[in-house]
Amino acid sequence: QLQLQESGPGLVKPSETLSLTCTVSGGSISTSNCYWGWIRQPPGKGLEWIGSIYHSGSTYYNPSLKSRVTISVDTSKNQFSLKLTSVIAADTAVYYCARHYRDGGYLTGSYFDYWGQGILVTVSS
Amino acid sequence: SYELTQPPSLSVSPGQTASISCSGDKLGDKYVSWYQQKPGQSPVLVIYQDTKRPSGIPERFSGSNSGNTATLTIGGTQPMDEADYYCQAWDISTGVFGPGTKVTVL
Repeated sequence: QLQLQESGPGLVKPSETLSLTCTVSGGSISTSNCYWGWIRQPPGKGLEWIGSIYHSGSTYYNPSLKSRVTISVDTSKNQFSLKLTSVIAADTAVYYCARHYRDGGYLTGSYFDYWGQGILVTVSS
Repeated sequence: SYELTQPPSLSVSPGQTASISCSGDKLGDKYVSWYQQKPGQSPVLVIYQDTKRPSGIPERFSGSNSGNTATLTIGGTQPMDEADYYCQAWDISTGVFGPGTKVTVL
């Protein structure tokens, strides 16, 4: 059974960089048609897609966050990572990593079918 | 930017049918996924590509999508179905989630 686990600091200071890693177990991060994504959820609010990456390193990001986001992959460790720069209080959220399955390789019709448990990151001095 | 609209809340009696709408411009031309999220838990995929159910999702969950509205239907709603439900679609290369609908079973 595929499992994803987020890890990283739970507290980040304003203007600093948020860094999280997602470790994938029970399957290979290099599986065809499998992208890997980050989604966040501010306390008491809805879900927001941050971006996704393929094992080749191909990425695409939410335009609203693109200037501050970098997602990378380490296939040797079966991990992918998120960096969000210049964080502010509004970046406080539960951050989820998820498998982003692209049926036939197409973006339209793709979906998030396996999710990590989430990690709460608080931005505060 | 593309937006999806959902009713904030919905109440349904046990055993009745719950219908959750998700609206967006020409949404019927896109594929929609639905996610269930219970308090303190991660979202769970319940419908993908408008109508398909992942393995392990009960048959009482079904979906449709036409025109500007997608609908998640829970037939014979059970107390365990009480949760927040989010629709999601792709606009060009951007993933968009709806604001969520809180379903209360009482």
